[in-house]
Amino acid sequence: RKEVEQDPGPFNVPEGATVAFNCTYSNSASQSFFWYRQDCRKEPKLLMSVYSSGNEDGRFTAQLNRASQYISLLIRDSKLSDSATYLCVVNHPARQLTFGSGTQLTVLP
Amino acid sequence: EPEVTQTPSHQVTQMGQEVILRCVPISNHLYFYWYRQILGQKVEFLVSFYNNEISEKSEIFDDQFSVERPDGSNFTLKIRSTKLEDSAMYFCASRLTGGEYGYTFGSGTRLTVV
Repeated sequence: RKEVEQDPGPFNVPEGATVAFNCTYSNSASQSFFWYRQDCRKEPKLLMSVYSSGNEDGRFTAQLNRASQYISLLIRDSKLSDSATYLCVVNHPARQLTFGSGTQLTVLP
Repeated sequence: EPEVTQTPSHQVTQMGQEVILRCVPISNHLYFYWYRQILGQKVEFLVSFYNNEISEKSEIFDDQFSVERPDGSNFTLKIRSTKLEDSAMYFCASRLTGGEYGYTFGSGTRLTVV
C-alpha cells in the first residue's frame, strides 16, 4: 500500500467551480499534514497545514480525519491561477515529509 | 519573504562525473533537507541534516551521496560518479523547528546526466 495515496486526476473544471481532492495515508503515527501546490517544473509551495479541527484559508478548506487516515482539500470559486498539481504531504515524527504523487488540476476559462 | 536559494538552476554532467549542488537555507532555520523528483514522479526524501550532522537518510542516499554545511550558510549535496538515473530535480528545503510547520523549498536544481 502506498504511504500517501491521491487520485492523480486530471481534474478539469470551469472557472468558478468547486473542486475537492482526497488523500489517504497509511502510517497511523503520522502527526503533521499539509497540502502543497506544485506548478510545472517548479518547487512545491506550502498551501496550508491541515488540522484535526479543519481549517480554512480564503477559498481553501482542509479537513483531516485521523480515524480514517483521510485528508481533503476543497477549493471554492476556482480561478485560472489555481491550475497546478496539488500534493498531499504527511510528516511522521521519526521520518521526513512523505509526498503523494499529486492531483493535477486544470481550471478552464 | 525569506527564500531558500539553490545554484545552479540547471546542471548537465557526463556519466561518471561528480557534481555538487548548492543551497543557501533561510538564515535562522535549523533543519535542512534534500529531496529529489524524477520527471513525472513524486518528490522523494533523500537526507535531513541538523546540528551539523545527518539526522536521517533514505535508502536512496547511499555512498554515492554526501552532504556538507561547510561554512554555516551553504548546504551542499555531492553526488559522486553520476549515473543516468540520477537525472532529476533536486530540491533543498529548510525549516525552523517543529514538524507542524511546513518546509520552505528552494527552486531546485535540474540535474541532467548524459
